Amino acid sequence: NAGVTQTPKFRILKIGQSMTLQCAQDMNHNYMYWYRQDPGMGLKLIYYSVGAGITDKGEVPNGYNVSRSTTEDFPLRLELAAPSQTSVYFCASSPQGSLYGYTFGSGTRLTVV
Amino acid sequence: DQQVKQNSPSLSVQEGRISILNCDYTNSMFDYFLWYKKYPAEGPTFLISISSIKDKNEDGRFTVFLNKSAKHLSLHIVPSQPGDSAVYFCAASEKAAGNKLTFGGGTRVLVKP
Repeated sequence: NAGVTQTPKFRILKIGQSMTLQCAQDMNHNYMYWYRQDPGMGLKLIYYSVGAGITDKGEVPNGYNVSRSTTEDFPLRLELAAPSQTSVYFCASSPQGSLYGYTFGSGTRLTVV
Repeated sequence: DQQVKQNSPSLSVQEGRISILNCDYTNSMFDYFLWYKKYPAEGPTFLISISSIKDKNEDGRFTVFLNKSAKHLSLHIVPSQPGDSAVYFCAASEKAAGNKLTFGGGTRVLVKP
């Protein structure tokens, strides 16, 4: 009963490097989301997906890309990392939108230096 | 443009007393509201929710009140316990916009034994 699994838990990137944050869920949820949380701030939506093959931008999509080839996986790609992308990244899933509440992963803490 | 605001960044309360967390929103199209609880190094977990057609929802020690005319909701925790010490996020969604959650900045609650 893993829920939402995020890897890695921590990562330090140099400016200009790229990386992929992995997210997998085993609850057969259609909806998946990526949020970032900056220090002392709330969560801001980066990208979301309502099903395999369907993705859309959230509030802060610049500098990121996503794909959703399967129901289970929703990776987040950072291209050309910048210090402004230093944050904690949370992946979440839900069976039918927020009416049922989201299940969050434990987060990936990313530092760009 | 912060659509969901939690104006108190922190709250300290004695064990056994009531904790009251407040949240204001600006988007009158929001039709569902949720509270999430977050411990350090973990993802947020769903706590309680309320539909815009109701003004109160209760679940054990947790009660959420919604005042639509004032665009205000609050979370009451009675009695507060040391294990309630965490960051609490208010969130809102609009069904017509795909039920994406918009989060407030969070309130850190400390319950003193």
